[in-house]
Amino acid sequence: EAGVAQSPRYKIIEKRQSVAFWCNPISGHATLYWYQQILGQGPKLLIQFQNNGVVDDSQLPKDRFSAERLKGVDSTLKIQPAKLEDSAVYLCASSRIEVLAGVNFGPGTRLLVL
Amino acid sequence: AQSVTQLDSHVSVSEGTPVLLRCNYSSSYSPSLFWYVQHPNKGLQLLLKYTSAATLVKGINGFEAEFKKSETSFHLTKPSAHMSDAAEYFCVVRTFGNEKLTFGTGTRLTIIP
Repeated sequence: EAGVAQSPRYKIIEKRQSVAFWCNPISGHATLYWYQQILGQGPKLLIQFQNNGVVDDSQLPKDRFSAERLKGVDSTLKIQPAKLEDSAVYLCASSRIEVLAGVNFGPGTRLLVL
Repeated sequence: AQSVTQLDSHVSVSEGTPVLLRCNYSSSYSPSLFWYVQHPNKGLQLLLKYTSAATLVKGINGFEAEFKKSETSFHLTKPSAHMSDAAEYFCVVRTFGNEKLTFGTGTRLTIIP
């Protein structure tokens, strides 16, 4: 099966600019996650979708971050405006609904905010 | 609530010697447990998973892990380290009814030639 696709792979922006990341999960995977991984740390969940509904967005900084999952397939994560501390790798992952299923991660988008 | 504690932030072993990466978990219900590996500038790759079947789980690249409910542990082992094993390893827990993945802080494995 094809893996989780993400684009772009790298992005450099200045603070206060906006940026958007795109994710295409594995076909048939109902659950989609966005994680933020700051250098030297483990991934932190930003938002979790099941189909096109939000399951958990408790750690999403909603004043600047937004995410949507159109038609329960692709997803977009946006940051507006970006801050220096948003520099990180943004990982998209997907899985089947069953909790016993493994979770597949995409290659990530590396964001640098200057 | 669920959580994961990786007991060592950094482990160094000589090539050809055994590897032990320690993980303890906390979960209100029967958990699923995973080990992921992340090589520098690469994505996360699933090494192995425990899903309430056999308590000794075999993964890729010669790694295995044993689920011990009494000790709430899921330690990762490999009999003989290879240079290509140098990477960051994450222990992850997922609980029925809450499909959220909770990551440990990671263990950086260094292999000494």
